[in-house]
Amino acid sequence: AQKVTQAQTEISVVEKEDVTLDCVYETRDTTYYLFWYKQPPSGELVFLIRRNSFDEQNEISGRYSWNFQKSTSSFNFTITASQVVDSAVYFCALSLYNQGGKLIFGQGTELSVKP
Amino acid sequence: GAVVSQHPSWVICKSGTSVKIECRSLDFQATTMFWYRQFPKQSLMLMATSNEGSKATYEQGVEKDKFLINHASLTLSTLTVTSAHPEDSSFYICSATSGLAVTMSGRSAQFFGPGTRLTVL
Repeated sequence: AQKVTQAQTEISVVEKEDVTLDCVYETRDTTYYLFWYKQPPSGELVFLIRRNSFDEQNEISGRYSWNFQKSTSSFNFTITASQVVDSAVYFCALSLYNQGGKLIFGQGTELSVKP
Repeated sequence: GAVVSQHPSWVICKSGTSVKIECRSLDFQATTMFWYRQFPKQSLMLMATSNEGSKATYEQGVEKDKFLINHASLTLSTLTVTSAHPEDSSFYICSATSGLAVTMSGRSAQFFGPGTRLTVL
């Protein structure tokens, strides 16, 4: 069975701190995709990144970076110099290649960045 | 590009009534649409997968007679909550994909609608 675990339910930081959101996934498939989405209070999901299982290169996009390690089945997300606008719920998700794109979401991590 | 809309954005109804939620892909043809449900402070749970012109595939535990899904065209899928009850109050989110062409581009495999908040009194 496939599963995504985000062990951190809530994280609170002060502005300008760095914060890492953890994501651990389980699957026996060799071809899969991993995602991070941001859900602000409005509710609309914002796509952040997609990674396929054959690409373990870390990625940086501005203040965001992602660390994908197949050896530990983890796909962690780091926000550098956090800002109040980063406050949201962040979801990690898994999609299997042979399942038509349906997403399995983690429980989500609610990030609160205080000024 | 790749915009998905949902209508209505919120709805309040009385217990026992039926509610229809529309999901439209505005600038691409969606061969597959997904319907998710999200209760407060919880994750998104997939309810069903809808392919144009065929019957929806429901996830385990989702009542197909209660949540009717119709994907009549490549740009429209509808979710009807029949005989709604207070426990059906939730945030319903649809997503759409045009299939492999989208995933191979490296972009998100799915494009999400803004969600519909249903409150059943």
